[in-house]
Amino acid sequence: SQTIHQWPATLVQPVGSPLSLECTVEGTSNPNLYWYRQAAGRGLQLLFYSVGIGQISSEVPQNLSASRPQDRQFILSSKKLLLSDSGFYLCAWTPGLQIENEQFFGPGTRLTVL
Amino acid sequence: QKEVEQNSGPLSVPEGAIASLNCTYSDRGSQSFFWYRQYSGKSPELIMFIYSNGDKEDGRFTAQLNKASQYVSLLIRDSQPSDSATYLCAVNDYKLSFGAGTTVTVRA
Repeated sequence: SQTIHQWPATLVQPVGSPLSLECTVEGTSNPNLYWYRQAAGRGLQLLFYSVGIGQISSEVPQNLSASRPQDRQFILSSKKLLLSDSGFYLCAWTPGLQIENEQFFGPGTRLTVL
Repeated sequence: QKEVEQNSGPLSVPEGAIASLNCTYSDRGSQSFFWYRQYSGKSPELIMFIYSNGDKEDGRFTAQLNKASQYVSLLIRDSQPSDSATYLCAVNDYKLSFGAGTTVTVRA
């Protein structure tokens, strides 16, 4: 069966510090991968998605970036965090062949920027 | 810009009652529709998906889709306190667009 991991689970960072969040998927190959952010009491905002290694599409211009160095690894980064980057970051995957398939979410990383 | 609209709630229902959640979407070309449940502090989990007009039942959950009217709904029958959560509607064209969610509270 497929599983998706995210770490760290929680993170408290000062403004201006760098960020690296990691997501890995097990039990599947060539998944589509997604990064979402959920601000407190808000809906899910799609940040990035990837249909393959090295292929990244950005949905929202901001100080975040994403990379996919391996088939089942997706990384979210920032060089300098802003207060507005606080939120619940979710990685999701879907089988790669049909993009309309349902998405499955990882456990999330709760980021607080102080 | 595609939009997915949900009543934010909160929706409070007594235990054993039917909870009815509605969702409208703006992109007439949308092909697949999903309902996720999100407990406080947790990630969303898929509970239903529907692709065709009409009803789809899974246990106590029924999803209803009307593409002509561009709405999708979720009925929760025999509501239980464990159903208290935020329910997210998602609509898929080439990516998922989520509504802001409806918070449901089931009163024991």
